[in-house]
Amino acid sequence: DGGITQSPKYLFRKEGQNVTLSCEQNLNHDAMYWYRQDPGQGLRLIYYSQIVNDFQKGDIAEGYSVSREKKESFPLTVTSAQKNPTAFYLCASKGGSQPQHFGDGTRLSIL
Amino acid sequence: ELKVEQNPLFLSMQEGKNYTIYCNYSTTSDRLYWYRQDPGKSLESLFVLLSNGAVKQEGRLMASLDTKARLSTLHITAAVHDLSATYFCAVVNAGGTSYGKLTFGQGTILTVHP
Repeated sequence: DGGITQSPKYLFRKEGQNVTLSCEQNLNHDAMYWYRQDPGQGLRLIYYSQIVNDFQKGDIAEGYSVSREKKESFPLTVTSAQKNPTAFYLCASKGGSQPQHFGDGTRLSIL
Repeated sequence: ELKVEQNPLFLSMQEGKNYTIYCNYSTTSDRLYWYRQDPGKSLESLFVLLSNGAVKQEGRLMASLDTKARLSTLHITAAVHDLSATYFCAVVNAGGTSYGKLTFGQGTILTVHP
């Protein structure tokens, strides 16, 4: 069954800690994306990657980092520099002319 | 910079009634998407609109695109409770350094009540 798997579903971060959100896809899609969603708001793009070993900043990249060492995987690290990390994080992938396909999300909270 | 605005942001409907959600965008684009999100869940793709005058229908939902007016509509016919969700439009950036990126509207929270 093809899809996108995000883990964990819920994550708690302590002050000064970096945390990493996992995103894995088995859709053979080249492009992958990370979005942040705050309550009552639309999605804002953090980082995206069109191809392995390449990625670009989105609209709100400060305090986040990513890597794309494998086609299937696009992990997002929320660093201690991100002062307001509490949000719902969605990973998406895209192949060809199809719409972006989204994972089930990770909800990150501050301890 | 591409801006996408939806209205209304909140919509409370009675079952059986019709209503329309509007999505305006600020610069030229060649592709627009509608997504549905249930509370605490992921986004589900509803429609892809590719050209001026495009119309797509699925059940009680119909989406259309007017690229000249930079406007898309999502029309709900004879609403039922199961349609309660948040609906987003998203527009593809058509040029410049943001080519291919999606910009989302704020979302419309739809509640259908008896």
